[in-house]
Amino acid sequence: DQQVKQNSPSLSVQEGRISILNCDYTNSMFDYFLWYKKYPAEGPTFLISISSIKDKNEDGRFTVFLNKSAKHLSLHIVPSQPGDSAVYFCAASALGGGSQGNLIFGKGTKLSVKP
Amino acid sequence: GAGVSQSPSNKVTEKGKDVELRCDPISGHTALYWYRQSLGQGLEFLIYFQGNSAPDKSGLPSDRFSAERTGGSVSTLTIQRTQQEDSAVYLCASSTVAASSYEQYFGPGTRLTVT
Repeated sequence: DQQVKQNSPSLSVQEGRISILNCDYTNSMFDYFLWYKKYPAEGPTFLISISSIKDKNEDGRFTVFLNKSAKHLSLHIVPSQPGDSAVYFCAASALGGGSQGNLIFGKGTKLSVKP
Repeated sequence: GAGVSQSPSNKVTEKGKDVELRCDPISGHTALYWYRQSLGQGLEFLIYFQGNSAPDKSGLPSDRFSAERTGGSVSTLTIQRTQQEDSAVYLCASSTVAASSYEQYFGPGTRLTVT
């Protein structure tokens, strides 16, 4: 049973427009969420994170929104650039629940930004 | 500074053979994680080391899998009697597990193919 779900395996967006990547989770103990970006043949690289005490975190072109009641988070990239084309993974951790910090990942969404 | 490194980058082995995968974490990072990514799947947690504490082995899929971390630094993941379903990219990550930062930094991975 997947605890972190990314229901869109792929997303195509025009350069300059907004990319919205979605993630749903089922475990109410999750209290820390992260987004990673992965290029082919490379390991995932950390992008942005949010604690469950917040509902928004912004870093440059990247903003993560958290809706705890809906157990939903989203990553907004605006404006999208061709270099943003990669697979994006949503991850969650239950740090306050005594977790060792291991991350539970979704299956990823492949973003393609067209010039 | 150097990031997380893994070796080999690719490994092809025959079914039934043992393999060893190596991870060099970022210097000073006390936490080390192993994950694997099978084709079309998200990252699956395998094992976690934190300082001198007993490792969290809860993600290991079978007793054919084991890992050790020597001197609190380098880690080796060993898979005995490999099976075709072990084919995946094995990723290592490290982190500081600081109070405000739980981001994990990933290596490039080892692609294991069992024939």
